[in-house]
Amino acid sequence: DIVMTQTPLSSPVTLGQPASISCRSSQSLVNSDGKTYLSWLQQRPGQPPRLLIYQISNRFSGVPDRFSGSGAGTEFTLKISRVEVEDVGVYYCVQGVQFPQTFGQGTKVEI
Amino acid sequence: EVQLVESGGALVQPGGSLRLSCAASGFTFNTYWLHWVRQAPGKGLVWVSRINHDGSGTTYADSVKGRFTVSRDNAKNTLYLHMNGLRAEDTAVYYCARAMWGGAGPPDYWGQGTLVTVSS
Repeated sequence: DIVMTQTPLSSPVTLGQPASISCRSSQSLVNSDGKTYLSWLQQRPGQPPRLLIYQISNRFSGVPDRFSGSGAGTEFTLKISRVEVEDVGVYYCVQGVQFPQTFGQGTKVEI
Repeated sequence: EVQLVESGGALVQPGGSLRLSCAASGFTFNTYWLHWVRQAPGKGLVWVSRINHDGSGTTYADSVKGRFTVSRDNAKNTLYLHMNGLRAEDTAVYYCARAMWGGAGPPDYWGQGTLVTVSS
């Protein structure tokens, strides 16, 4: 299985300031179709996960533009340009290039 | 609006069985693959199983293979997870999620989850 490793596991942030989360995969996430199957999920306290970003940098419907994704191959980053109160929660990277889909351990973002 | 609503979670003894359901609405159910993902209390997300659009193809995590069976009824827009031989380590919130595309697409819509507790 592909191992997804996130850093940091906990990220204290200041409202209005940027935040960044890294995700590293044990194998390349580039598929045979040339696309990279790396996504980011947000899970607010007491809520189910929510898709934020897919294929490295595509924001899902309704996701604010303060969220952005970047990276290539095995190294990826989720950035929040200015953290808001509603961004508190746990963020997961997830790969879909190889069965089974695997998730990172999660990064807790707290004020 | 896409909606997924899980039900069927309960307290069950080790070795017992349970069937989870996931009722879907707001999209063309029979054209999407679906996943089951679980989350043990205070822990991260773990993929459990997936099923293709017409139910002819299923895959499982090694930890549940031979004990869990995923199925779907496209006439009822409902996904199921049949769980046998339950163990304490199966205790978790179980989410159903829609795959954005095919079997490798990210889970784009999630249900609220249903709690399964395995304990004597």
